[in-house]
Amino acid sequence: NAGVTQTPKFRVLKTGQSMTLLCAQDMNHEYMYWYRQDPGMGLRLIHYSVGEGTTAKGEVPDGYNVSRLKKQNFLLGLESAAPSQTSVYFCASSYQKSGLAGGSTDTQYFGPGTRLTVL
Amino acid sequence: RKEVEQDPGPFNVPEGATVAFNCTYSNSASQSFFWYRQDCRKEPKLLMSVYSSGNEDGRFTAQLNRASQYISLLIRDSKLSDSATYLCVVNVRTGGFKTIFGAGTRLFVKA
Repeated sequence: NAGVTQTPKFRVLKTGQSMTLLCAQDMNHEYMYWYRQDPGMGLRLIHYSVGEGTTAKGEVPDGYNVSRLKKQNFLLGLESAAPSQTSVYFCASSYQKSGLAGGSTDTQYFGPGTRLTVL
Repeated sequence: RKEVEQDPGPFNVPEGATVAFNCTYSNSASQSFFWYRQDCRKEPKLLMSVYSSGNEDGRFTAQLNRASQYISLLIRDSKLSDSATYLCVVNVRTGGFKTIFGAGTRLFVKA
């Protein structure tokens, strides 16, 4: 049981390049999330998904796109990387309890993170 | 004003000390509350949920004061292994939901 995994662990891009970060979870969780973490700031939600085939914008979605074609995978894409996207990116997942309407209060399980530098 | 505010620290304490962290939140629609721990260059991991009645897990005690919109974490008998950043996390019920992470409080426990 690997939990939440992320690939790659590290990446250096030049401005304007594109890339995709992959997140995979084997816990059969419904909810998945992408966050970025910058020094002195809390984790900020980029996009999230409440189930296969659905995505929604978080707090800082600009410059990113996501897809959830399979329940276990959540992809984060950068179409044209900018230096402001230098950050540590964390994926997380959580289990939606039945009976909860409109939200999840369950524990989020995080992947090990991807350190991205955009030059 | 940040929606979840924490003292960034760092807190430098000797082994065996008792240390308390505070967290305030601004949204009265906040529904559930957690403390996460994050080791250097690692992912956050759940330390404990926070309940209105207060809850304890070994050396860790969490308290919630809804009236004052305030959460606390108390660590007794600090160990070297407690050195980490402690994140205050709040779930807010909106049309959907929103999870807000505080920036964290750094703790260094020294021998």
